[in-house]
Amino acid sequence: SQKIEQNSEALNIQEGKTATLTCNYTNYSPAYLQWYRQDPGRGPVFLLLIRENEKEKRKERLKVTFDTTLKQSLFHITASQPADSATYLCALDMREGYSTLTFGKGTMLLVSP
Amino acid sequence: GAGVSQSPSNKVTEKGKDVELRCDPISGHTALYWYRQSLGQGLEFLIYFQGNSAPDKSGLPSDRFSAERTGGSVSTLTIQRTQQEDSAVYLCASSGFGQINEQFFGPGTRLTVL
Repeated sequence: SQKIEQNSEALNIQEGKTATLTCNYTNYSPAYLQWYRQDPGRGPVFLLLIRENEKEKRKERLKVTFDTTLKQSLFHITASQPADSATYLCALDMREGYSTLTFGKGTMLLVSP
Repeated sequence: GAGVSQSPSNKVTEKGKDVELRCDPISGHTALYWYRQSLGQGLEFLIYFQGNSAPDKSGLPSDRFSAERTGGSVSTLTIQRTQQEDSAVYLCASSGFGQINEQFFGPGTRLTVL
C-alpha cells in the first residue's frame, strides 16, 4: 500500500520568506498529487493538483513540483504571510475521475511577522 | 447550500451508545467520502459513494461502522456500540464525477466517547 511521509515537525519561518514543504511517497507513482490546507477546527481546503506528467504547477504565490523519480513533491509558498499559517496536507489518488485519496499527516507551517 | 455541511458539529456520547452523523454534500456532486481524523493523525478514509454504484467500504474499521446515502445526496454514518477509540473528527467530502478530483470538505463532526 502507499505510504506518504510529510515532515511532522512544524516549519517556522519569517514573513516574506519562502516556505518549502515536502511530501514523499513510497511504492507506486500516483496518477496525480494534491495539496490541501487545513486550519484548526475546519475541514481541508483544496489548493493545487499536479499530474504525473507535469513537473511544476503554479497558482498565485503557490508552486508545486512533482518528481516521480524521487517520489517527491515540494510545495512552495513565496512571500509568506502570517495568514499562511496552517497545516498543509499532501494527498495522492490513483484513478482520475473518481477515487479515494490517501492523505499524509500534514506539516504545520507557522509564519511569524 | 454553498458548501458541504455536517451535523452535529459536536457529539458527546457514552461508551456503548449508537451515534449517527449526517453529511449534506454540494448539490450535484455525485461522489461522497467519509474520513476520520484523530488527534495528530492524518485523514483516514472510511467509505466512498459514487452515484448509484455500490459503495467502497474498504476503509471501515469494523462492522460497527456503516453508512448510507439516500437519493444520491444526504449521507449518514452510523457507529454502533461506540468505543472510546472511536473519538475523532469525522469529515465528509464531496466531488463531481468526471472532473478534476478536487474534494470539498465539510467542517466535520467532533465525536467524543466517554
